[in-house]
Amino acid sequence: AQTVTQSQPEMSVQEAETVTLSCTYDTSENNYYLFWYKQPPSRQMILVIRQEAYKQQNATENRFSVNFQKAAKSFSLKISDSQLGDTAMYFCAFMNRGPIQGAQKLVFGQGTRLTINP
Amino acid sequence: NAGVTQTPKFRVLKTGQSMTLLCAQDMNHEYMYWYRQDPGMGLRLIHYSVGEGTTAKGEVPDGYNVSRLKKQNFLLGLESAAPSQTSVYFCASSERYEQYFGPGTRLTVT
Repeated sequence: AQTVTQSQPEMSVQEAETVTLSCTYDTSENNYYLFWYKQPPSRQMILVIRQEAYKQQNATENRFSVNFQKAAKSFSLKISDSQLGDTAMYFCAFMNRGPIQGAQKLVFGQGTRLTINP
Repeated sequence: NAGVTQTPKFRVLKTGQSMTLLCAQDMNHEYMYWYRQDPGMGLRLIHYSVGEGTTAKGEVPDGYNVSRLKKQNFLLGLESAAPSQTSVYFCASSERYEQYFGPGTRLTVT
């Protein structure tokens, strides 16, 4: 079974700083997706960024980028120029890239609570 | 286009009571999921469905039942609520790899 571990329960940085959230995972699969989800105080789960394991290039979405190290099974999220609105819980998640007709089940890490201070 | 909606948003039950949580999606997605979120933990999969009329167990299915009579709806039932089922429940739907989540239901069992 796949497992996802986020070793930083809480982090806090000043506005405009850069912050990196860590995630490691364990799988014997070769084909999979990795995700970072943001959960603000509103509780809504928001997809931040997605990485496909077969792609060597790290995914980027505006101020958000990942460092994907497949051999090390590491998937960190970097937030540049952090903003007050980035304050949220961040979850790393794993999904097997199974058959198209199969359900795509997500396995989540425990989350990192990120606070951006003014 | 409402996306994924959940009813109700909050609920308080007494031990032993039953209730049904409703999830509805208007994106014509085949796959739907129910998760629970407990403090200090990520979301865990309770049950899921790969299409109308089909359901399957996830990671933590005990104490819950589900039904998918219509493609757009996925119901989660608690037949005899227990305090251990106090949690926030999320529904999600997907067509491929991206899951779209509802706003969640906070359930308290006293």
